[in-house]
Amino acid sequence: GAGVSQSPSNKVTEKGKDVELRCDPISGHTALYWYRQSLGQGLEFLIYFQGNSAPDKSGLPSDRFSAERTGGSVSTLTIQRTQQEDSAVYLCASSPGRTYGNTIYFGEGSWLTVV
Amino acid sequence: ELKVEQNPLFLSMQEGKNYTIYCNYSTTSDRLYWYRQDPGKSLESLFVLLSNGAVKQEGRLMASLDTKARLSTLHITAAVHDLSATYFCAVDRGGNQFYFGTGTSLTVIP
Repeated sequence: GAGVSQSPSNKVTEKGKDVELRCDPISGHTALYWYRQSLGQGLEFLIYFQGNSAPDKSGLPSDRFSAERTGGSVSTLTIQRTQQEDSAVYLCASSPGRTYGNTIYFGEGSWLTVV
Repeated sequence: ELKVEQNPLFLSMQEGKNYTIYCNYSTTSDRLYWYRQDPGKSLESLFVLLSNGAVKQEGRLMASLDTKARLSTLHITAAVHDLSATYFCAVDRGGNQFYFGTGTSLTVIP
């Protein structure tokens, strides 16, 4: 597709359940980011993938959060044993790489509600 | 850690008026980005500023960067309703993430 694609667009889950969020970046983009946006808040960095390098996981808020990227393309963000404070919009973004001045392109987001 | 502050956080302005949104950041960087977010939508890239003194304009919006002051501005000229959205600035230090401001929610009223 032409843009960053995320699924599901909306997810309501019960507290304690696991969820998986998927991101399909723009074709050819080697850099992939996950951010979290809580209601009325700014963007919180979660994790960064660049090519085949080890991901930067420094933003993951707890060990309940994990992410992987298969084949340098599609990424999955997994949240285990969800808590109500995990309710947020999870935004995926991609860019052609860490070349100077590349902006990042965002998907529409996955809206997660934990009840 | 790099801090990015925007002000104001909320802005209500009349159509036809001018206003400026400010983005301050705490450590050296010469890469500054502006994004727009409509309600329920994702972020759309508006401007990329890559040097001290850079100025970019698109329609009624003009962005500038002063790296010495660690300040970027987004100036709105003769606002129209279609500009109502949340605007974010983001700073890139060349690491593995962009640091985003808290956003400025702009409402343009007739």
